[in-house]
Amino acid sequence: NAGVMQNPRHLVRRRGQEARLRCSPMKGHSHVYWYRQLPEEGLKFMVYLQKENIIDESGMPKERFSAEFPKEGPSILRIQQVVRGDSAAYFCASSPPGQYYEQYFGPGTRLTVT
Amino acid sequence: AQSVTQLGSHVSVSEGALVLLRCNYSSSVPPYLFWYVQYPNQGLQLLLKYTSAATLVKGINGFEAEFKKSETSFHLTKPSAHMSDAAEYFCAVSENTNAGKSTFGDGTTLTVKP
Repeated sequence: NAGVMQNPRHLVRRRGQEARLRCSPMKGHSHVYWYRQLPEEGLKFMVYLQKENIIDESGMPKERFSAEFPKEGPSILRIQQVVRGDSAAYFCASSPPGQYYEQYFGPGTRLTVT
Repeated sequence: AQSVTQLGSHVSVSEGALVLLRCNYSSSVPPYLFWYVQYPNQGLQLLLKYTSAATLVKGINGFEAEFKKSETSFHLTKPSAHMSDAAEYFCAVSENTNAGKSTFGDGTTLTVKP
């Protein structure tokens, strides 16, 4: 059973460009979570999704950030008009139905904004 | 609201010595508690979890943690450190009424000296 997959692993964007981060949950998992890790800090919750639904987006910045988890395909975290402060590691986690606390993390996407 | 405090951002031990990483939490409802390990440029790996069963939880790689409600603590221990234990460790809390949203501490970097 493959683990949580994220791509790309590294992403470089210039200020003002868009960044798209992808996450494929583990097989059979229906919950996806996105976290952001700034340098020298812990992970900060961003958003929790189930298929076609955003359950909790209380950690998402109000502007430029959006997330989706379509019926088919990976979950996407989209950052529009990136700024230097968006440089961070973005981690995706997934959990099986009914066990939301059992989160399995992907390797992360490291976004660098130049 | 939930929060986690990890005491000591850096801990250094000699190989073979006891490892003790401290974590205190705050939660308005009975919590679920977790310890994760992160190696450089990798994702988070679950070491162990507490989900209201036995208060002494055993995890992978010889680690264990004890849930102490009276002290609101969930400290991580290992009797004898190995060089391969050098990594960053994160404590996290999830309220069992707040599906999916884990709150992480800022992490403790463990250094193991030969």
